[in-house]
Amino acid sequence: ETGVTQSPTHLIKTRGQQVTLRCSSQSGHNTVSWYQQALGQGPQFIFQYYREEENGRGNFPPRFSGLQFPNYSSELNVNALELDDSALYLCASNGGIEGYTFGSGTRLTVV
Amino acid sequence: AQSVTQLGSHVSVSEGALVLLRCNYSSSVPPYLFWYVQYPNQGLQLLLKYTSAATLVKGINGFEAEFKKSETSFHLTKPSAHMSDAAEYFCAVNSGGYQKVTFGTGTKLQVIP
Repeated sequence: ETGVTQSPTHLIKTRGQQVTLRCSSQSGHNTVSWYQQALGQGPQFIFQYYREEENGRGNFPPRFSGLQFPNYSSELNVNALELDDSALYLCASNGGIEGYTFGSGTRLTVV
Repeated sequence: AQSVTQLGSHVSVSEGALVLLRCNYSSSVPPYLFWYVQYPNQGLQLLLKYTSAATLVKGINGFEAEFKKSETSFHLTKPSAHMSDAAEYFCAVNSGGYQKVTFGTGTKLQVIP
C-alpha cells in the first residue's frame, strides 16, 4: 500500500461538539504527524506519534488528542470544538530527513 | 529553535519567465530543508530536500534550490515558468531526526499567460 489516505474529506460540526479524523499511513512508516492549516496559513504542528506513542507536541491544547494503531492508521480527536478550529487537517507519515508524505487533508468547518 | 521566513506571500511571473521564491531559515543545528507544493484543496507534495549532501538540489517539475549557509537561505528557482506551476509553495525546516517540521507561511505563485 502506498500513499496516505485521510477521511472524511469534508466535515461540518457545531461548536462544542467532538470530532474524529482518520488517517491511513503508508505501510512501514512508523511515524505519523498531524498538522492544522488555517486558511491562508502554513501548516502548524499539532503532534507526532512514533510506534503508537506521542513523541512530540506543538502549541495545541489538550482537547486535541491522538492515537496511532499497529496497522499504520491513526486518529486525531478534537473535543469541545471552537470556531477557530475550522481548518484543513493534514496527516503526514514518515518524515525526518526523507520528508513527509502528506494526505489530501480533511477540511473541518465549525459553525 | 527552528523557523523559516518566506519573503513575499504572492509572486507573479509571466509564462516562460524565471521563478524565484525566497526562503530564509533559522536553526541552532545544521538543518534539513524542504520545499513543498500545494495545489488547491490538496495536501502538500514534496518538491525537493536538502540533507547536507550537495548544496544545489534538484527536484521534480524542473525546480531546484541552493543551500547557502552564509546567507541562511534556501531559495527555490525554475528557469521557465509553466502555467501548471501556479500553486502555493512552502519552505520547511527540520533540525534533525524525527523532530517536527516547521513550515513557512507560504508563497502563492501566479503564472500569467
